[in-house]
Amino acid sequence: EAGVAQSPRYKIIEKRQSVAFWCNPISGHATLYWYQQILGQGPKLLIQFQNNGVVDDSQLPKDRFSAERLKGVDSTLKIQPAKLEDSAVYLCASSSTGGEYFGPGTRLTVT
Amino acid sequence: GQNIDQPTEMTATEGAIVQINCTYQTSGFNGLFWYQQHAGEAPTFLSYNVLDGLEEKGRFSSFLSRSKGYSYLLLKELQMKDSASYLCAVRDSNYQLIWGAGTKLIIKP
Repeated sequence: EAGVAQSPRYKIIEKRQSVAFWCNPISGHATLYWYQQILGQGPKLLIQFQNNGVVDDSQLPKDRFSAERLKGVDSTLKIQPAKLEDSAVYLCASSSTGGEYFGPGTRLTVT
Repeated sequence: GQNIDQPTEMTATEGAIVQINCTYQTSGFNGLFWYQQHAGEAPTFLSYNVLDGLEEKGRFSSFLSRSKGYSYLLLKELQMKDSASYLCAVRDSNYQLIWGAGTKLIIKP
């Protein structure tokens, strides 16, 4: 079975620019997560979708971050405008029951 | 608050055995997960414990004691490729995964 796909793998932008990340979960997985992982730390949940509805977005900085999963399949995470502290790896994961399966991540560098 | 504690770094020798401990305090418990993460890569699922006891999976085993809020990951016959970070995560009563910061395991020849 195909894994979680993410694009792009790497992105370098200047502060105040905008960026978007795309994720396609494992087929049939209803739950989709976006995480932010800063070097040396565990993943931090930004938003969790169940099908196309938001389950938890309590840690999403809503003044600059937004995410959508319109058809309950793939999802887009946007940052506008970016700040230096947004430099991190952005991980998408999906699950049906049990554990979460992660995509390769997008490494974002904000200069 | 919710908290997952695990050592920051451990060192072990190729061919040996190492145990990585994890203690947790969460609002509710719906399973504990161990993930392996190589530098620059995404975490990969290793094990899942929801009942007390030991789950064995080849060279890796994971133990859970819910009454003590404690788990460990045991790695046997260590290989150089086992050098990675090992993340402990607990699913709470809201079915959210609460993550530890990870234990960096360094394997020496």
